[in-house]
Amino acid sequence: DAGVIQSPRHEVTEMGQEVTLRCKPISGHDYLFWYRQTMMRGLELLIYFNNNVPIDDSGMPEDRFSAKMPNASFSTLKIQPSEPRDSAVYFCASSREGWQPQHFGDGTRLSIL
Amino acid sequence: GDSVTQMEGPVTLSEEAFLTINCTYTATGYPSLFWYVQYPGEGLQLLLKATKADDKGSNKGFEATYRKETTSFHLEKGSVQVSDSAVYFCASPHYGQNFVFGPGTRLSVLP
Repeated sequence: DAGVIQSPRHEVTEMGQEVTLRCKPISGHDYLFWYRQTMMRGLELLIYFNNNVPIDDSGMPEDRFSAKMPNASFSTLKIQPSEPRDSAVYFCASSREGWQPQHFGDGTRLSIL
Repeated sequence: GDSVTQMEGPVTLSEEAFLTINCTYTATGYPSLFWYVQYPGEGLQLLLKATKADDKGSNKGFEATYRKETTSFHLEKGSVQVSDSAVYFCASPHYGQNFVFGPGTRLSVLP
């Protein structure tokens, strides 16, 4: 079975540019989660969706960050404009139910110069 | 609210040493408990789980027992290998909607 698929795996861009991260969850999983991981702050939950509807976006750092889930098989996390402090590894995860194990993608390593 | 506390490390051991990584939780009721592992350059992977008190989860030589008396779920392995070097996260469902993850414990195993 295909796992959670994220793209791109690596992204390097200059500050001020728009960045779009993509995620395809596991088929049949109703929950989708976006995380950010840095050495300083560890693993942070940014936002999660249930049946394509955003449930909790309290972890989104600021208005420069936005996430969408237009259908059950695709989600995006967008940063506009990007800043160097946004440099991190961004993970997408999905699960069948909120209390069931989450399956993580391999992440997108983002570097903002 | 629900929370998970784990020793932050880093932990450095020699090959074949015994490993314990402590994890305690606070929650309403008795939620399922999980250990995840993250190898370098990869996402988190489920290592083992326990769904009720006194359950023991096990996988790849790792074990953890859900102890409600001490609200703990400590991860143990009798003989670690270099390939076990990774970051280990304790986790628990949060109000049945998402997960609470511990801060992670970095393990380095030296040959």
